[in-house]
Amino acid sequence: GAGVSQSPRYKVAKRGQDVALRCDPISGHVSLFWYQQALGQGPEFLTYFQNEAQLDKSGLPSDRFFAERPEGSVSTLKIQRTQQEDSAVYLCASSLVTGGPDTGELFFGEGSRLTVL
Amino acid sequence: QKEVEQNSGPLSVPEGAIASLNCTYSDRVSQSFFWYRQYSGKSPELIMSIYSNGDKEDGRFTAQLNKASQYVSLLIRDSQPSDSATYLCAVGQGAGTALIFGKGTTLSVSS
Repeated sequence: GAGVSQSPRYKVAKRGQDVALRCDPISGHVSLFWYQQALGQGPEFLTYFQNEAQLDKSGLPSDRFFAERPEGSVSTLKIQRTQQEDSAVYLCASSLVTGGPDTGELFFGEGSRLTVL
Repeated sequence: QKEVEQNSGPLSVPEGAIASLNCTYSDRVSQSFFWYRQYSGKSPELIMSIYSNGDKEDGRFTAQLNKASQYVSLLIRDSQPSDSATYLCAVGQGAGTALIFGKGTTLSVSS
């Protein structure tokens, strides 16, 4: 498809399990962002890639969170030893502008809703 | 801490009225400003972007930016029930940084 694709759309994990969330950005989009959105809140920045380089990971809440984009296209957000507070929608967005999001529109995927029991 | 503040609402307006949504931001060097609309259970979609002081109009939507006051607003004219959604204000801090989002304002347009 032409948009940002995320999978799985829904994931239920038991506390302590590891999860992996995938993002396939719009073809040719250089910049890729991960956001976390809790219920009733705005998206919170997690991390940002330009091509395969992770330029900013300051928003990752703990060392249990890890993101990669090895070939500069598809990205995976991994959460190890999930906790209940990790329950949220994880949004991926991509942008064509290489200079960062200050001038470019972010195109969001539909998100991956994670529920940790 | 860089912050983007919005009144969470809900903001209720009758059909056909003007809805006014407001946003303030803390970082004076912010360079780009966006309004996203998010329907329940859906992802955010961009409806307006603005980069310089003044007004920018697009159809029924007008974005207003005042950098001196660190204030951004969105006006929706002739509000429709289909405009009922959460409106997210997002601010860009510069090249190589991510957009900072507010918590969103919920708008309800009654027919």
